Amino acid sequence: AQKVTQAQTEISVVEKEDVTLDCVYETRDTTYYLFWYKQPPSGELVFLIRRNSFDEQNEISGRYSWNFQKSTSSFNFTITASQVVDSAVYFCALRPIKAAGNKLTFGGGTRVLVKP
Amino acid sequence: DSGVTQTPKHLITATGQRVTLRCSPRSGDLSVYWYQQSLDQGLQFLIQYYNGEERAKGNILERFSAQQFPDLHSELNLSSLELGDSALYFCASSGGGGGDEQYFGPGTRLTVT
Repeated sequence: AQKVTQAQTEISVVEKEDVTLDCVYETRDTTYYLFWYKQPPSGELVFLIRRNSFDEQNEISGRYSWNFQKSTSSFNFTITASQVVDSAVYFCALRPIKAAGNKLTFGGGTRVLVKP
Repeated sequence: DSGVTQTPKHLITATGQRVTLRCSPRSGDLSVYWYQQSLDQGLQFLIQYYNGEERAKGNILERFSAQQFPDLHSELNLSSLELGDSALYFCASSGGGGGDEQYFGPGTRLTVT
């Protein structure tokens, strides 16, 4: 069974501050994908990134960066110089590569509130 | 816009009733997934179809059923509705290959009164 834990339920920052969202996962599978999704107040789920378990290179996309550490089963997400538009709920998710079907297991989400 | 469409956006119905939620996947995607998002359970996988066939099943209640049609659109049927079924129901689609991301539709918000 898979489990994804996002211990921070809500983070409040002032605009331009950096914010890091923690994600810790549990799986017995040796190969898997990790994802981050964003759910803005409008409600839709927006795909942000996918990482393979065999690729531990960190990734940066604009103000977003991700730190994957297999040794600690963590896949953390940092927003640099946060903006009000970053206010949303962010979900971390996991999917084994070899499982039948492509079911995503989500964490509980972290609500980020960026104040002007 | 993810390219996944869901109708209706909102649905209000009474306990004991039956509703059908509809999803059209992105053009070319063969897999359709249904997820339920509720305050107490979070985001939970319900079921996946691939090219018309059921591929994987999650914690889907027996009162719920789904199907994928030859044109690849999918419907989720919820019957004998209870107050606890009130939730946001998402459909997602992917190409079906092992490495494909799932793109989510805007969701259908179901309120059972």
